[in-house]
Formats: sequence, C-alpha cells, structure tokens
Amino acid sequence: DTGVSQDPRHKITKRGQNVTFRCDPISEHNRLYWYRQTLGQGPEFLTYFQNEAQLEKSRLLSDRFSAERPKGSFSTLEIQRTEQGDSAMYLCASSLVLAGEQETQYFGPGTRLLVL
Amino acid sequence: AQKITQTQPGMFVQEKEAVTLDCTYDTSDPSYGLFWYKQPSSGEMIFLIYQGSYDQQNATEGRYSLNFQKARKSANLVISASQLGDSAMYFCAMENSNYQLIWGAGTKLIIKP
Repeated sequence: DTGVSQDPRHKITKRGQNVTFRCDPISEHNRLYWYRQTLGQGPEFLTYFQNEAQLEKSRLLSDRFSAERPKGSFSTLEIQRTEQGDSAMYLCASSLVLAGEQETQYFGPGTRLLVL
Repeated sequence: AQKITQTQPGMFVQEKEAVTLDCTYDTSDPSYGLFWYKQPSSGEMIFLIYQGSYDQQNATEGRYSLNFQKARKSANLVISASQLGDSAMYFCAMENSNYQLIWGAGTKLIIKP
C-alpha cells in the first residue's frame, strides 16, 4: 500500500507565474483534502472532494486558486499569478468515508512552494 | 467559534521519560472527533491517535494515549517511554460537522539523549 503521494516535493517560482501541484490519494479513498501550512502554524483547510465533486471551499481559496479531481482519483491544485504570500507547504490528505465509521485523514509529504 | 489551543510552543524531555502534550478545544457541536498528528522535519503529517466525543474510554495506540476530559474540553496526548525519534512537531486537531479539521498551532517536542 503506497500512501498519499504529492508531486513535486519542492517548487520555486517567480512572482506572477502559474504553478500546478498533483496529489495521488490512497487508492479507493473517496475523500481528498487540500491544506496550506505556513511556518510555525498548523495547516489551514483549503478545499475537499468527495469522489470527483468539490464539496467545500475555504474563503482562503481566492479566485487565483483552483482545484480539480476529474476522475475521482488524483487531484491537482493550480495557483495562477503567484504572489510571495503563497509561499507555504501545500498538504494533501485522503480518507475513506464509510457510513457510521470514523474518518481518518492520511497525509502526503507535501509540496513546499517558494515564490520569489 | 471552533478552536484548538495548544499552549506549549516547545518542550524538552529526557529520553525514556513520559511526556504530556496539552490540547484544549472549543466547539458547540455535540459530536466531534479529536486527532493527534506528528510532523517530523520532513513535513509529512503522521496520524497518531483518534478520540471520538462519545467514546467512553480513552484512546490508546501503542506508546500513545489520549487523556480525554470532556467536561474540561481537553484532549492531552501522553507519550510513554519517549524515544529520540519522537522529536517532531505535534498537532492536535478537531473534526467539525463539515468534515474539516481545525488545527492547533502545534508543540515542538525535542527528546534529549
């Protein structure tokens, strides 16, 4: 069983460029989450998918951010016109939600973004 | 408002000693879940332990146990017989009714040899 994977692990970009991150969840997990974490803070929820449907988006997710999970498997998070304030660790998590059972989110290694 | 508070920004503990990491929470939801995660310097969040709000017994997972005091709204993590590999950031989180995890600011634990 290969856990959640994320690609790339590190990304350095110039302000104004677009970046895209990919997350591959644990197979058969039906929920997928994106979080952002800055230094010295806990993660902040960005959005989540139930299969291919995006069910919740944080107000942190400005119109420059878009996330997709087209076939209910892997997901991409795109940031357009990056700003220095977007520099953070972007974490992806997945879970298997079954009726009446506890949900546990399992995290990937994260993508560290640095915007110069 | 839902909130998680971790009052210990950092802790130093001697190897093999037990350590308690504090977590208090605030919610009006009658049903909620409490989680502890470990984040080593590599960055990956590692799930440690879960406590449901209706669970009668405190959760245990190997050397980890959760001291759940519902009336006091606290969910402290206890690590017994600490090891050097336990050095990491530790986050307490609460799942709300919208399936979002609300996170504390974390506690940096350093185990001294």
